[in-house]
Amino acid sequence: EVQLLESGGGLVQPGGSLRLSCAASGFIFNTYTMNWVRQAPGQGLEWVSFISGNGGDTYYADTVKGRFTISRDNSKNTLYLQMNSLRAEDTALYYCAGGSGYYYEALDIWGQGTMVTVSS
Amino acid sequence: AIQMTQFPSSLSASVGDRVTITCRASQGIGNDLGWYQQKPGRAPKLLIYATSILHSGVPSRFSGSGSGTDFTLTISSLQPEDFATYYCLQDYNYPWTFGQGTKVEIK
Repeated sequence: EVQLLESGGGLVQPGGSLRLSCAASGFIFNTYTMNWVRQAPGQGLEWVSFISGNGGDTYYADTVKGRFTISRDNSKNTLYLQMNSLRAEDTALYYCAGGSGYYYEALDIWGQGTMVTVSS
Repeated sequence: AIQMTQFPSSLSASVGDRVTITCRASQGIGNDLGWYQQKPGRAPKLLIYATSILHSGVPSRFSGSGSGTDFTLTISSLQPEDFATYYCLQDYNYPWTFGQGTKVEIK
């Protein structure tokens, strides 16, 4: 079964750090480009970051650039998001999502999300 | 960043109705647009990519069209399981951007 399972969310104080993980199974992970997408409570979807299959290319939303770092370990079939200098507005459910092939932008695999709450 | 304006933000419709949702990009994005469906408490699901290509397993009542700046998602005959929130996503360039979403409710 194709599956993405996020973990690492929790409550953190403003200015703090957190590392999210996304464990992949049931497919060839290194053939998939991966993304993080977040959703603040009651709000819409926001794309956060992208990483290519070999990890060589990364992109970020302006709202997180310089604070968040996306990475992957293909030997462990795992995607990461290192989040530093967290702000209240980073509070959201964070999804990992991926796509492959010519239309890698089509995000056809999604996890169930991990909740990050930034509050004092 | 490219802004995606999606409308309406919500609509009420009956089973069997034809429903159209629009996304407008702040600049041309070719055909680099996808549509996603999200139900409460669930992760989004891919419906359509590259403007008009139906993802595997998605019912044929869903269709997409457009190019450049204006795009539409059409549900030809609304079914009970289609009541959800729909989002467009431009993947023309980074940062990718979603529309604000359209909540489709039961009339």
